[in-house]
Amino acid sequence: GENVEQHPSTLSVQEGDSAVIKCTYSDSASNYFPWYKQELGKRPQLIIDIRSNVGEKKDQRIAVTLNKTAKHFSLHITETQPEDSAVYFCAVSDYKLSFGAGTTVTVRA
Amino acid sequence: DGGITQSPKYLFRKEGQNVTLSCEQNLNHDAMYWYRQDPGQGLRLIYYSQIVNDFQKGDIAEGYSVSREKKESFPLTVTSAQKNPTAFYLCASRPSDRGHEQYFGPGTRLTVT
Repeated sequence: GENVEQHPSTLSVQEGDSAVIKCTYSDSASNYFPWYKQELGKRPQLIIDIRSNVGEKKDQRIAVTLNKTAKHFSLHITETQPEDSAVYFCAVSDYKLSFGAGTTVTVRA
Repeated sequence: DGGITQSPKYLFRKEGQNVTLSCEQNLNHDAMYWYRQDPGQGLRLIYYSQIVNDFQKGDIAEGYSVSREKKESFPLTVTSAQKNPTAFYLCASRPSDRGHEQYFGPGTRLTVT
């Protein structure tokens, strides 16, 4: 199956700073790359996704970049706010989604 | 709620008992999935089903069983053979097209003592 590595495992940033999380994958045939945010005790929720025919996608303070040649994609959060504190998971699509191990983001006020 | 429901939200059982977790979706999705999440950990795939009357083992299927008799329903049974069943269980569904979002249910927190 797909091997997805996610880094870092924890990330602490000052409010207003940027946060970047990176994932690498192994299957070059993968074509769909979502990011999920999970708050404590809640279900994961999709925050942004990108398909293989696109290199970058933005949605307000969130952006995702994809480098298919290098087989990595990244989540960028700008102007971080306390409500951005959560666990973030990347995923890669095959016949099932393969998830990274998650990044715990803490935004310090 | 994204059209996926799980019940109950909290479940308590004694060791040695089988327990069945419910998952229902009204999104007309073909594929359904069960994940287990332990505290501070990621999502581990237990079982998945891409079509009615068919399902496959995921990465940690031992001690679990499923059925997919209806498109809308994908119940998970945690058997007494599962050594450490206490966990947060998440059900999910998505269209058969791999390039679409996967929707999660609200989860069931199972505690076995």
